[in-house]
Amino acid sequence: RKEVEQDPGPFNVPEGATVAFNCTYSNSASQSFFWYRQDCRKEPKLLMSVYSSGNEDGRFTAQLNRASQYISLLIRDSKLSDSATYLCVVNRRGSTLGRLYFGRGTQLTVWP
Amino acid sequence: NAGVTQTPKFRVLKTGQSMTLLCAQDMNHEYMYWYRQDPGMGLRLIHYSVGEGTTAKGEVPDGYNVSRLKKQNFLLGLESAAPSQTSVYFCASSYPKGLAGGPRGNEQFFGPGTRLTVL
Repeated sequence: RKEVEQDPGPFNVPEGATVAFNCTYSNSASQSFFWYRQDCRKEPKLLMSVYSSGNEDGRFTAQLNRASQYISLLIRDSKLSDSATYLCVVNRRGSTLGRLYFGRGTQLTVWP
Repeated sequence: NAGVTQTPKFRVLKTGQSMTLLCAQDMNHEYMYWYRQDPGMGLRLIHYSVGEGTTAKGEVPDGYNVSRLKKQNFLLGLESAAPSQTSVYFCASSYPKGLAGGPRGNEQFFGPGTRLTVL
């Protein structure tokens, strides 16, 4: 079983829509959680960390459910510039500090 | 600061040829990583380093070697390239030891990638 599983999509939504991505992780020892964003033919960049209590950064909201080993990302009022692939990422407790496990990514296209 | 840089950006090799990919970072990061990214496979860790002079195998190390002679540089070598090594290669680095637990702890900064084709 893969460390991190994501629905690859694609998700195609109109501008202004709300869209949610989900991700599950297999190792209960996972400790830190992140969403990265990757634009086409570019490198991944950190979008936001995911905290146990949930956290928000502008139009983006991340949630963590440790009991279900489930992470989500909600994007409100989608913009054309949100079109990208969103990578779910976890760090396992006890692993080499800094080592991250990446999901395959969920592709989002926002259309006018 | 340039962040993380990679050279070359593109390369085409013939089967059996060798090459070295160079990664450099100017953020004084302790940790550095080499990944490959293939369609439908996501990012897979090849090798990583937790400090100058140390390296370790990741998820898919076969066919690759690495060296970290200087803290700021991490080299990835292909001794005898194979078509299966056609991929996009990303280098990354992360925070100095001791700071990784902060709010953005474990954030990895990526280079722009190297697109390698092996014919």
